[in-house]
Amino acid sequence: NAGVTQTPKFQVLKTGQSMTLQCAQDMNHEYMSWYRQDPGMGLRLIHYSVGAGITDQGEVPNGYNVSRSTTEDFPLRLLSAAPSQTSVYFCASSYSVPGSASYNSPLHFGNGTRLTVT
Amino acid sequence: DAKTTQPPSMDCAEGRAANLPCNHSTISGNEYVYWYRQIHSQGPQYIIHGLKNNETNEMASLIITEDRKSSTLILPHATLRDTAVYYCIVRVGSNYQLIWGAGTKLIIKP
Repeated sequence: NAGVTQTPKFQVLKTGQSMTLQCAQDMNHEYMSWYRQDPGMGLRLIHYSVGAGITDQGEVPNGYNVSRSTTEDFPLRLLSAAPSQTSVYFCASSYSVPGSASYNSPLHFGNGTRLTVT
Repeated sequence: DAKTTQPPSMDCAEGRAANLPCNHSTISGNEYVYWYRQIHSQGPQYIIHGLKNNETNEMASLIITEDRKSSTLILPHATLRDTAVYYCIVRVGSNYQLIWGAGTKLIIKP
């Protein structure tokens, strides 16, 4: 298994441009999520999905859209990039929802996309 | 929200046990304690989690106090490859999501 694959690894955007960060997993995980990590800080949840066709907002959703048309893919779209969105973005998946009563599987993370908005 | 308190940094000698503390005095009865680590700028890696009982796996041991207000992650024989930022997470939020703090930067010294 490849696990969680994120593309691209690096990206530079100009203010106002849009782009899509790709995330794919081959573990048949129902739960997928997107985080951003700013220097010296922990991860903050942007959006998450508990299955195909189901998405919801996390802690910092503004400026980002997601969709989940298949179990495998969970792309993150930046609608109009801003310098405040310069960050490292991580995609993660797990078999069940973290913190739920039935949760017994860890989050698997991709290696991140490093985004710079100028 | 329940919050975790971790020391910002710790050192440990190679081959010794690394003991990473975490305070979570406002934890609720049904909230798990999770530990992840992040090496350099890679994606975080799951280590272990527990609710009440102590837990052990091939990577580490997790000791949770009886009142559940604190826990300790133990790496029994630290190696240089264990140098990383270690995150203790207990709050799952209103929608069952993990909420991350700044973690402890553990440096293993030869």
